[in-house]
Amino acid sequence: AQSVTQLGSHVSVSEGALVLLRCNYSSSVPPYLFWYVQYPNQGLQLLLKYTSAATLVKGINGFEAEFKKSETSFHLTKPSAHMSDAAEYFCAVKWNSGYALNFGKGTSLLVTP
Amino acid sequence: KAGVTQTPRYLIKTRGQQVTLSCSPISGHRSVSWYQQTPGQGLQFLFEYFSETQRNKGNFPGRFSGRQFSNSRSEMNVSTLELGDSALYLCASSPGTSGVGDTQYFGPGTRLTVL
Repeated sequence: AQSVTQLGSHVSVSEGALVLLRCNYSSSVPPYLFWYVQYPNQGLQLLLKYTSAATLVKGINGFEAEFKKSETSFHLTKPSAHMSDAAEYFCAVKWNSGYALNFGKGTSLLVTP
Repeated sequence: KAGVTQTPRYLIKTRGQQVTLSCSPISGHRSVSWYQQTPGQGLQFLFEYFSETQRNKGNFPGRFSGRQFSNSRSEMNVSTLELGDSALYLCASSPGTSGVGDTQYFGPGTRLTVL
């Protein structure tokens, strides 16, 4: 069955440290890949989207993600964490067979001073 | 451009009642999708509408239904509410013209509490 997995339900980093949030998908055919962020009591905000134009995708707020077909991964990174980055992050996949977004379980990012 | 709007933002209902949630997509967007978010199950797809037609449906019971109007606004209805229906219901709109690769933009959600 097709699935999307986010490793680590909670990640804690110090302010200024590298942020790495992991996402893996199970499919032999690369799907459409997205990262969304959710702040408390809010909806989801699109961070970035993989469109197959480039393997390194730059998003908003300094985030970027690299698509690695051989590893079926789409990990999200940010060189230097800011306190305002504390939120829930969701990796989402659209398989070529449908229009629905299939979400990972989410990773809660905590940024400590 | 104004974003996706959802009304109401908060609702409290009792078991057995029914509820209707509303979503207004971004201007020009013709596709509206609905998702349910709970702590236990995470984000789950309910259904997607495009040009007033349900194009895709998730694995939810028939108590969950939706519709889309000619102006692309959408409503979802949940009948005979159960405690487990308590959730954040998110609406997302997309242009609907780029096929599967369309990007979905989310509203702030409606928080439904069933007592």
